[in-house]
Amino acid sequence: QKEVEQNSGPLSVPEGAIASLNCTYSDRGSQSFFWYRQYSGKSPELIMSIYSNGDKEDGRFTAQLNKASQYVSLLIRDSQPSDSATYLCAVTLAGGTSYGKLTFGQGTILTVHP
Amino acid sequence: ETGVTQTPRHLVMGMTNKKSLKCEQHLGHNAMYWYKQSAKKPLELMFVYNFKEQTENNSVPSRFSPECPNSSHLFLHLHTLQPEDSALYLCASSPTGDSNQPQHFGDGTRLSIL
Repeated sequence: QKEVEQNSGPLSVPEGAIASLNCTYSDRGSQSFFWYRQYSGKSPELIMSIYSNGDKEDGRFTAQLNKASQYVSLLIRDSQPSDSATYLCAVTLAGGTSYGKLTFGQGTILTVHP
Repeated sequence: ETGVTQTPRHLVMGMTNKKSLKCEQHLGHNAMYWYKQSAKKPLELMFVYNFKEQTENNSVPSRFSPECPNSSHLFLHLHTLQPEDSALYLCASSPTGDSNQPQHFGDGTRLSIL
């Protein structure tokens, strides 16, 4: 079982729609969760961090965390073509061989078409 | 100049060459990281330095040799690399080595081994 799992996509949504990106993780004791956006040939850029259950909103972005179900999601409202990128989920795993490390999923490719 | 800067942006080398990658951060952070990003694979943590001390070596082959002379600079010395080492090498920094803090990435060095 992968420690942090994302659907690699591509996820294609029309401009103006809501894009929903999901991430599951294996370690129930994980504490910190991050979403990064990576444009082709560029570095990962932090979009959101979330640490407690529930929703966290920042502009068009909403991160949702459910520790009981071990998933974290990112919603992008009013999607724009400029949102087309790879979205990386990163989790601080609490135990096992990955203790204290930030572990990334393989990323979901999002394409927003006009 | 701000953020995390990596040089060179692109590097092509033969398997017998010796080269170095450089990373410099202007964020006043005390922790620095090397990651490897290969096609269709998650970001892989290679090394962590916290206050100039190496705190993590994620079973990286000895042909990769990191150096951290101060909290602002990080190097990755390369020698006798293999074709499977071709990848994007990303440097990141965070305020301390606490993995609950978000990390800030440079634009990476695209490495190709002939």
